[in-house]
Parts: sequence; C-alpha cells; structure tokens
Amino acid sequence: IQMTQSPSSLSASVGDRVTITCRASQSITNYLNWYQQKPGKAPKLLIYAASSLQSGVPSRFSGSESGTDFTLTISTLQPEDFATYFCQQTYSSPLTFGGGTKVEIK
Amino acid sequence: EVQLLESGGGLVQPGGSLRLSCAGSGFTFSSFGMSWVRQAPRKGLEWVSSISGSGGTTYYADSVKGRFTISRDNSKNTLYLQMNSLRAEDTAVYYCAKDRYLVVTPGDWFDPWGQGTPVTVSS
Repeated sequence: IQMTQSPSSLSASVGDRVTITCRASQSITNYLNWYQQKPGKAPKLLIYAASSLQSGVPSRFSGSESGTDFTLTISTLQPEDFATYFCQQTYSSPLTFGGGTKVEIK
Repeated sequence: EVQLLESGGGLVQPGGSLRLSCAGSGFTFSSFGMSWVRQAPRKGLEWVSSISGSGGTTYYADSVKGRFTISRDNSKNTLYLQMNSLRAEDTAVYYCAKDRYLVVTPGDWFDPWGQGTPVTVSS
C-alpha cells in the first residue's frame, strides 16, 4: 500500500493552522497513524486509528479521515511543533510510511 | 516508564554482518510485539521487521528478507536484529519500537520508539 503525503514541506508561523494530508493507494479503513519527529530524535506517536489522540499529546493536534484521505491538523502552531510529520498505515504488511512533511518556521 | 535502548550499531564493510539489540524496560516485554524501523540519512522511515510477543511469528520487508533475522529473548527483555550480507543501501539509523498488540495486527501502532542506533555500510 502506497502512502502519498503532502506537502513534502511547508513554512508557517506560530499561531497558524496547519494541515497535512496522507492518501492511501487503497482502502485502509482507519488504520492510519501519525508521528512527529524532531531532528536527531526518535519518532513520537501523535495520533492512532486516524483520529485518536495519544495520551499526553496536546489537543491542538487532531486527525480525520475521508475515504482513503487522512488529515493531520495542528490548530494553532506552537514553536515546539516545528518538526517532520509522518503517516503510517498498519492495514497490511508491509507496513508503510508516507514520505514525511517538514514544518518549518516562516 | 516504558523505555527502549538500542545498541550494536557501527561501521561494517559491504557483505558483512552486524547484530543489533534493543533492551526493553517498564513493561511486560513478552506481552507485546516489537518492530524495527530504519531511516536512511535525510530520508523517510522504512519498516524493516516485526515479531510477535512469543517470537513465533515474524514479518519482513522485501528489501531485507533472507538477509535479516528478527528474534527476541523474553527472559532478557531484549529484541535482536541479525543483519547479514549488508549493502550500502542498508546504511541508516535503526529504531526499535513497541507494538500496541501481542502480534502484528491491523490497526497496530508503534509507541514508544528507542533513540536509534546508526549502521554504516561502507568500505
């Protein structure tokens, strides 16, 4: 299953609303996870099952789905949110990740 | 607190072998599947392999099938990745991660991840 993530990068300001999209090449129901990775660090789980917020993750992060399109939204971008975000499908093996979206400071 | 600590990375020549380890703590190790994910320099994430809690079921990416072997020792709370016939394209940081379920299951997710161990394949 191919996961196409867009955009590959974006520039935004603190306080902006940011939306990242991941499209699956076939139906994956809601088996879609989102991770955040900061430079030199391990990925961190943000959202699982398309829209469930992982414990401890700020509520400004949210996920949604529409068919094979999945969206990660950061409602009000904070300085600590500048990072790279990856989606992952766990519907079937091989488990696959999107190419990543780097969120940079404008 | 759940913690994962990888070790065993390093520089190896093409065709060589390396064994990575991942020590888990803060959870009942045998009750969860475990996975390896790698990240080549300045690239995205690539799932490598997963193993069930008992060790009886394993999964591999096509890119490593036949060369890499995942295993675990639940008495030592440790996950392994034996890497043979290494190629330049295997150069990456290798992360271990704890699965949500006992076996790799649709709807699974990885949390947490270890800090990673770098592997460089070069002559």
